[in-house]
Amino acid sequence: DGGITQSPKYLFRKEGQNVTLSCEQNLNHDAMYWYRQDPGQGLRLIYYSQIVNDFQKGDIAEGYSVSREKKESFPLTVTSAQKNPTAFYLCASSIGQKATRDTQYFGPGTRLTVL
Amino acid sequence: QKEVEQNSGPLSVPEGAIASLNCTYSDRVSQSFFWYRQYSGKSPELIMSIYSNGDKEDGRFTAQLNKASQYVSLLIRDSQPSDSATYLCAGWGLGSQGNLIFGKGTKLSVKP
Repeated sequence: DGGITQSPKYLFRKEGQNVTLSCEQNLNHDAMYWYRQDPGQGLRLIYYSQIVNDFQKGDIAEGYSVSREKKESFPLTVTSAQKNPTAFYLCASSIGQKATRDTQYFGPGTRLTVL
Repeated sequence: QKEVEQNSGPLSVPEGAIASLNCTYSDRVSQSFFWYRQYSGKSPELIMSIYSNGDKEDGRFTAQLNKASQYVSLLIRDSQPSDSATYLCAGWGLGSQGNLIFGKGTKLSVKP
């Protein structure tokens, strides 16, 4: 089965803790993305990566970090510097960002709550 | 003007009716568009993409793109209660980053 997996489904964080959200895809896609969704809001781009070992900041990168050591994996770390991390986090992938017709496909999401 | 704009709704239609969802976009958005459906608490799933001016049909769904007026719409024929969800419109941004830009979504409620 091809697809995108995210884990965990639910995550609880204490104040001052760093937490890492996992995203894995077996679609052989080059590009991967992380979005944040708050209630009543659209999706906001945190980071994206077009190829292995390269990534760029999106619109709201402050307080987050990523790595792209493997094509299949794009983990997101929510650091203690992120002041309001409670949100629904979505990982997506696409074949490659070179074409403007590139379709993004989403994983099931991780819901992060700060206690 | 926001880059991709949608009426947040809720849009309420009776079962069996046609639901019409609209989206407008700015000059900063390219003319490749996507409609995603998102059920409450779930992730977005792709319904349709449209790249060319005109209509594109897929089952009960029809996407329409009007480049001159800068709007894209999604029609759902024979609406079912299972179509009740938030519908997200997205288009690729122009410029060096060229990332997918999402509207805030329109919540659709189909009443039995």
